[in-house]
Amino acid sequence: EAGVVQSPRYKIIEKKQPVAFWCNPISGHNTLYWYLQNLGQGPELLIRYENEEAVDDSQLPKDRFSAERLKGVDSTLKIQPAELGDSAVYLCASSGGQGAYEQYFGPGTRLTVT
Amino acid sequence: AQKVTQAQTEISVVEKEDVTLDCVYETRDTTYYLFWYKQPPSGELVFLIRRNSFDEQNEISGRYSWNFQKSTSSFNFTITASQVVDSAVYFCALRRFNKFYFGSGTKLNVKP
Repeated sequence: EAGVVQSPRYKIIEKKQPVAFWCNPISGHNTLYWYLQNLGQGPELLIRYENEEAVDDSQLPKDRFSAERLKGVDSTLKIQPAELGDSAVYLCASSGGQGAYEQYFGPGTRLTVT
Repeated sequence: AQKVTQAQTEISVVEKEDVTLDCVYETRDTTYYLFWYKQPPSGELVFLIRRNSFDEQNEISGRYSWNFQKSTSSFNFTITASQVVDSAVYFCALRRFNKFYFGSGTKLNVKP
């Protein structure tokens, strides 16, 4: 069974430029999470989807961040414009919903904003 | 509010030593789940174990063991006879409904 797929793995951009990250969850997993991980810290939730609905986006900086999961499968996270402080690892995770308790993570996208 | 605390920022041991990683959590819920994840240098978080709040039995899996104590709100992780491959950052997490709360992680360095 394929795991959570993320692309790109690494991205270097200049500040004020846009950037997008893509995630394809494990097949059949209806819950998808985007996390931000700063160096030396644990993952912090940005947004959680149940199917195509964003059910928790309270930590998403909506002035510059946006996300979508149009068909309830893969998802895109966008930052526009990027700031120096956005440099971090962006993790995607998925879980199988009701009765499935753990989440599985992708390899992450390491973003560097210069 | 939910909170997970991993007070040990970094631990260094010599191979074959036993090491315990501490995790203390806060929640008012009676139903919750606790997890440990491993994040090796490659970066991908790997699921290790899940416990639910109604099962306080300790668990052993090979060199890994977990001690869950509701009385002290702790879910500690012990690696017996550590190996260099155990070097990683380990995260403890609490799940409430479909939301996960992570600790700040403990970096384990196992030296040969």
